Order: sequence, then C-alpha cells, then structure tokens
Amino acid sequence: DAKTTQPTSMDCAEGRAANLPCNHSTISGNEYVYWYRQIHSQGPQYIIHGLKNNETNEMASLIITEDRKSSTLILPHATLRDTAVYYCIVRVGGTDKLIFGTGTRLQVFP
Amino acid sequence: KAGVTQTPRYLIKTRGQQVTLSCSPISGHRSVSWYQQTPGQGLQFLFEYFSETQRNKGNFPGRFSGRQFSNSRSEMNVSTLELGDSALYLCASSLALASGGAGETQYFGPGTRLLVL
Repeated sequence: DAKTTQPTSMDCAEGRAANLPCNHSTISGNEYVYWYRQIHSQGPQYIIHGLKNNETNEMASLIITEDRKSSTLILPHATLRDTAVYYCIVRVGGTDKLIFGTGTRLQVFP
Repeated sequence: KAGVTQTPRYLIKTRGQQVTLSCSPISGHRSVSWYQQTPGQGLQFLFEYFSETQRNKGNFPGRFSGRQFSNSRSEMNVSTLELGDSALYLCASSLALASGGAGETQYFGPGTRLLVL
C-alpha cells in the first residue's frame, strides 16, 4: 500500500477554510485516497474518498492533483467541532485493509 | 440505520487472562475489520473477515484471533494478555461488494478500551 505524508499539526480560525495536504507520491492506478478523522479517542469518522476526480460532499471537498501524487482535504467553514486528527489513507480497491499514518492534528480556534 | 456497535465499551483485565470483544456491523455489511490503537503505534490493522473467512491479516502474534458468524457479527479474542495489549480496539464494517477496483467505505464503531493490569 502507498505511504502517505501529512503535516503533524495545523491551526485554523473558526469560520475559515481548513486545507489539509497529503502527499502520496507512490500511489498506484487502482488505489483510492480516503480521508477519516478521529475526535479524541472516538472511532474514526469517514469524511470523503476519491480516485482521480475532485469530490465534494456535505462535509468536505477533496482535490486530487492530476498526477495523483498529492491531495488536499478542504473543510470550507471550519468550526470548533472540526478539531480532530485527520488521516489521509491510500487504499487498494477491493480490500478493506487501511494503513493509517500519524495524521494531521487540526486545531480550530475561536 | 444503526451504526457499528462494539461491546463491551470498557474492560479491565490482568496479565495472562484472555478477552473476547464483540462487533456488530451495520445491517447489510458483510466485511468486518479490526484495528488496534495505542499511543505508541497508532492505528494498526489486525484482520479482516468476510463471509466467515479471514481475508486479510496484519502483523500481530497468534495470540490475536478472530472469527465472523453467518450474520456477519464478529468477535476478536486475545489470549495470554500482556501489558502492551492495553489499547483501543476498533471494529469497522463495509458492504464489501465485488468491486474489481472500486473502493468500499469502512465505517468504524466507538471502540472497546482494554486496560491490562
């Protein structure tokens, strides 16, 4: 499975957009990019995933570069409740094995 | 639709004992995966079950085992507990449809926090 690299921590002001980057330079053609977040020892919460096109849902947007070597998760209007550890995961299609990295600790401040 | 449920939520055991944790997947989900989360090692994949068969396995000793029942419910067992087994154990389920490359989203339960004394 491809390895991902994320910044250890980021800050964001409440109401502003939070842009969380992820590098996955060794991603293969059939590997999906998934984002989860974990709020203080709760179970990870699914946010969004994509293969090569940009994706948007009610929680966030996912921007994947054309070469698929990196992606950005965008929380358009961050709230205090978005404070969490965000994990970017590259996963082979057809398997349920997720390899978690260390993630990015996002702190949203008032 | 109810989410993934795990029981018990908290557990205290002593070294050498064994423990069984239970996971009920989202209705209709056929795959169940287990993960261990510790402060030192982070989130690590234990194993995945689909149609009562182990489909993938992580790098854990044989003391860690699991099974899946015909209703897709799953249990994991840890024998001869060690202090280092203290962790949050997470279960996740997915539809696991035949995909040929399409990803299947996993949804996690709240976890079972195990403390080994």
